[in-house]
Amino acid sequence: EVQLLESGGALVQPGGSLRLSCAASGFTFNNYAMNWVRQAPGKGLEWVSTIRGSGGTTYYADSVKGRFTISRDNSKNTLYLQLNSLRAEDTAIYFCANIDCRGGSCFPLHFDSWGQGTLVTVS
Amino acid sequence: DIQMTQSPSSVTASVGDIVTITCRASQGIGTWLAWYQHKPGEAPKLLISAASSLQSGVPSRFSGSGSGTDFTLRISSLQPGDFATYYCQQTNDFPLTFGGGTKVEI
Repeated sequence: EVQLLESGGALVQPGGSLRLSCAASGFTFNNYAMNWVRQAPGKGLEWVSTIRGSGGTTYYADSVKGRFTISRDNSKNTLYLQLNSLRAEDTAIYFCANIDCRGGSCFPLHFDSWGQGTLVTVS
Repeated sequence: DIQMTQSPSSVTASVGDIVTITCRASQGIGTWLAWYQHKPGEAPKLLISAASSLQSGVPSRFSGSGSGTDFTLRISSLQPGDFATYYCQQTNDFPLTFGGGTKVEI
């Protein structure tokens, strides 16, 4: 069974930093692109960032580019998101999710499994 | 960027009703569209990929259709567990984008 367990959410002041983690199990971690998606209070889902299986290619939403850094440790089956220069509008539940890249292609880019999220509050 | 527009933003329905949710892309995306169900406090769940491909374990009362820019999620005979928020997402290219969501309420 696929499990994705996020941690690291906290209350942080504007301008502060935080590192989120997502521990993965139940699938071959390096065969999947890993992602962060967030949901601000009362709002919809917003894609934040993606990292391919090898860790060599990353993508970011414009709203976080230059402030957030996605990374992964395939030896620990763990995904990370470093959040710097935090703003009030970054307040959200942050979900990790995977995209199947078995067979060499990650296309189409839908999220197969999700975690339950971790709450980041910037205030 | 590809903008995704869902309608309605909310719908009130009863058990047994048919519910139809639409999603429009700002440019053609073929059939590269997914639908998710999200309940508060839970992980979102992938229902449909490639516009109409039902995921394993998802009840057949859920169906998806469409291509190009216009897509539909249909729930036939709404069940108590179906009250949730539904999102479409274009799976064609980065930046990945979601529709604003449709809340299905009792």
